Amino acid sequence: DAGVTQSPTHLIKTRGQHVTLRCSPISGHKSVSWYQQVLGQGPQFIFQYYEKEERGRGNFPDRFSARQFPNYSSELNVNALLLGDSALYLCASSLAPGQGRYEQYFGPGTRLTVT
Amino acid sequence: DAKTTQPTSMDCAEGRAANLPCNHSTISGNEYVYWYRQIHSQGPQYIIHGLKNNETNEMASLIITEDRKSSTLILPHATLRDTAVYYCIVKGHNFNKFYFGSGTKLNVKP
Repeated sequence: DAGVTQSPTHLIKTRGQHVTLRCSPISGHKSVSWYQQVLGQGPQFIFQYYEKEERGRGNFPDRFSARQFPNYSSELNVNALLLGDSALYLCASSLAPGQGRYEQYFGPGTRLTVT
Repeated sequence: DAKTTQPTSMDCAEGRAANLPCNHSTISGNEYVYWYRQIHSQGPQYIIHGLKNNETNEMASLIITEDRKSSTLILPHATLRDTAVYYCIVKGHNFNKFYFGSGTKLNVKP
């Protein structure tokens, strides 16, 4: 079975532009989470979606938004890009949200560079 | 969410057991301990998780103290490919949100 896939692999954008990142979860997984990883730091939680609804949000500005589609794939959108948005953006999928047992499986990430 | 404390880095000789400690003294009774690792610039890889009892799978063993305030991830025979950042995570109450922290950089040396 295919793992979590993300596209594109790498992306270069200019300050002020908008970007859309895409994620396809493992087949059968209904929950998708997004993380931002700045160089030298651990991943930081941005969003979680389950059944097309936002179920959790981290401490990120409103420039960040996401959605989940009926096939459980997801998009992360970032508006008005800043230099500080340069990071590895990770998508993770799991069977369902819950109180612990459902481990998350991560994709390879999208490397975003803002110049 | 319970926070975790891990050493910044550790060294291990190839072929020897690597024992990675984690302190999670504020863990709640229904929170699980998860371990992930991240090899340079790749997505984090799930290793193992547990609640109370010790757990073992094909990758590693997880030893959780009786009071659940700390745990140890054991890689029984470390190889050079095990060089990575290892994250100890306590599963938050908010669905699948994970708080990663800074992790332990494990250097496996020949």
